Amino acid sequence: EDQVTQSPEALRLQEGESSSLNCSYTVSGLRGLFWYRQDPGKGPEFLFTLYSAGEEKEKERLKATLTKKESFLHITAPKPEDSATYLCAAMDSSYKLIFGSGTRLLVRP
Amino acid sequence: GAGVSQTPSNKVTEKGKYVELRCDPISGHTALYWYRQSLGQGPEFLIYFQGTGAADDSGLPNDRFFAVRPEGSVSTLKIQRTERGDSAVYLCASSVDSGNTIYFGEGSWLTVV
Repeated sequence: EDQVTQSPEALRLQEGESSSLNCSYTVSGLRGLFWYRQDPGKGPEFLFTLYSAGEEKEKERLKATLTKKESFLHITAPKPEDSATYLCAAMDSSYKLIFGSGTRLLVRP
Repeated sequence: GAGVSQTPSNKVTEKGKYVELRCDPISGHTALYWYRQSLGQGPEFLIYFQGTGAADDSGLPNDRFFAVRPEGSVSTLKIQRTERGDSAVYLCASSVDSGNTIYFGEGSWLTVV
């Protein structure tokens, strides 16, 4: 069965304290790995798509990487405004996204 | 509009009533998705349209749920005989074509009392 698992469920960081979020996936016919940011009461906001193992993408303090079994979202020197839930999703062979439960990130000043 | 638009943003209904949720995708996007999200969980797939046809409806939980997209643009998710367990945020998303970046709307928060 296709599955996406994110860890940790919650993460508290001090401002400036870098860390990584993990997304493990078991999806047959993977078409892409997506990262989204979700603020309370809002819809998911697109961050990155990764299509092949070894690919990396960056945006401001965020960098996403992909291997054949997992993806990482690295956060460098986070700021309080980076606090949100980060969702990972794998697109399967029939073009639908399978989401993990998310990592709730809190960055304290 | 610039993004995916969903109405209503909030809906409170009584158990047993019928509900319609509307989605207006990004202009020109041929693929449209409906997801459901419960508190503390990731979005769960319901149905996917490519153009006017439902390409994959395997996520619809039962026959009380139905969705249409008659002209290949706006879509309506219809829920009959609502139950308290249907309470969730219903998210609509669209992409320019299958396999491309999927953009989400802000969601319709449904509460069944």
